[in-house]
Amino acid sequence: GAGVSQSPSNKVTEKGKDVELRCDPISGHTALYWYRQSLGQGLEFLIYFQGNSAPDKSGLPSDRFSAERTGGSVSTLTIQRTQQEDSAVYLCASSLRAGANVLTFGAGSRLTVL
Amino acid sequence: GESVGLHLPTLSVQEGDNSIINCAYSNSASDYFIWYKQESGKGPQFIIDIRSNMDKRQGQRVTVLLNKTVKHLSLQIAATQPGDSAVYFCAVLSGGYNKLIFGAGTRLAVHP
Repeated sequence: GAGVSQSPSNKVTEKGKDVELRCDPISGHTALYWYRQSLGQGLEFLIYFQGNSAPDKSGLPSDRFSAERTGGSVSTLTIQRTQQEDSAVYLCASSLRAGANVLTFGAGSRLTVL
Repeated sequence: GESVGLHLPTLSVQEGDNSIINCAYSNSASDYFIWYKQESGKGPQFIIDIRSNMDKRQGQRVTVLLNKTVKHLSLQIAATQPGDSAVYFCAVLSGGYNKLIFGAGTRLAVHP
């Protein structure tokens, strides 16, 4: 596609429920990144993929967070047993390859955990 | 590890003035730096980048300055316009790493 597409744009859920956030990167981009942005804060790195592999998942906050990427394209970030502190905007970005390329970001998925 | 900080959380300027947003980084091995602009409700957008073998790079109305001696980066916006109002982030890519580390952001408010 022309840009990075994320869905849903907004998600409100109850504490304890599982959520899935989806990212469609730019076609041909082999690297895909997930960041989290809490209200009024900077971007916190979560995980990145090169192809379908995740060489660096050091930013995932806990084992409730997981991500996968299939076919070198779409990625899903899953948060199990959501907590209120998980409320944030989850941003996805892609680049031609991991490393020294500019990241193109999607508009984000805003998650609110009640 | 790498950390990135910003000197001012909020910067208010008058339309037509020049704006300077500063950023400090900690890892002297950092070799690639980017400035992003984030408008409300949108993802960050690329503004300008610079590699460690340069100390200045200019774009349209924007200039990035890199001082590796003191590990400092700045973004200069000439003739600031209302459309420049946003949060600006610096991001750093360290050698051997494949992820960008972002600073906390500076909010730029442009007043008529």
